[in-house]
Amino acid sequence: GENVEQHPSTLSVQEGDSAVIKCTYSDSASNYFPWYKQELGKRPQLIIDIRSNVGEKKDQRIAVTLNKTAKHFSLHITETQPEDSAVYFCASQEGFQKLVFGTGTRLLVSP
Amino acid sequence: DSGVTQTPKHLITATGQRVTLRCSPRSGDLSVYWYQQSLDQGLQFLIQYYNGEERAKGNILERFSAQQFPDLHSELNLSSLELGDSALYFCASSVGGDIIPGANVLTFGAGSRLTVL
Repeated sequence: GENVEQHPSTLSVQEGDSAVIKCTYSDSASNYFPWYKQELGKRPQLIIDIRSNVGEKKDQRIAVTLNKTAKHFSLHITETQPEDSAVYFCASQEGFQKLVFGTGTRLLVSP
Repeated sequence: DSGVTQTPKHLITATGQRVTLRCSPRSGDLSVYWYQQSLDQGLQFLIQYYNGEERAKGNILERFSAQQFPDLHSELNLSSLELGDSALYFCASSVGGDIIPGANVLTFGAGSRLTVL
């Protein structure tokens, strides 16, 4: 079955710095790659997603890149703010099959 | 409120017991997913239903079972509970099954926190 690896497990940055979280997936049939943010004590919420026919997608300070050949995708957050502190999960899905999550990255943005 | 309703919010029970967690998906969503999140752990996929039928199964224990009813609500049954089953159980729903923008997006409920003593 699909396996999603996520790195790093923890990431500490200063406010205003950039943060990059990387994921790799195993199933070449996967074609949908979302990122979810989970704040402490809250439910995960979608922040951005990308489909396999697109190499990059951007939404304000957040961007996602996808390398289908290497089966890598990454989340880029620029100009980080303390409210970006949370756990971020990548995930992959083929069609409408199960959505498999990575192990999560705890991002801490210090003022 | 995300539109996905999970009950109960909290549940404390003893080892060996059986519990049922309930989920009502967001209006219009046909697909329901169940995930287990242990303390400081990731989101472990348990099972997925689409319009009443099982669509995919993850690492769900044989002691666990689930179903989606004709009104699309879903129940997750956990039996012969062990200490290690203590976790936050999330239900999420999506439109699923139709190639329209946003059909894959999961909306999570607030979770049911199970504590097994």
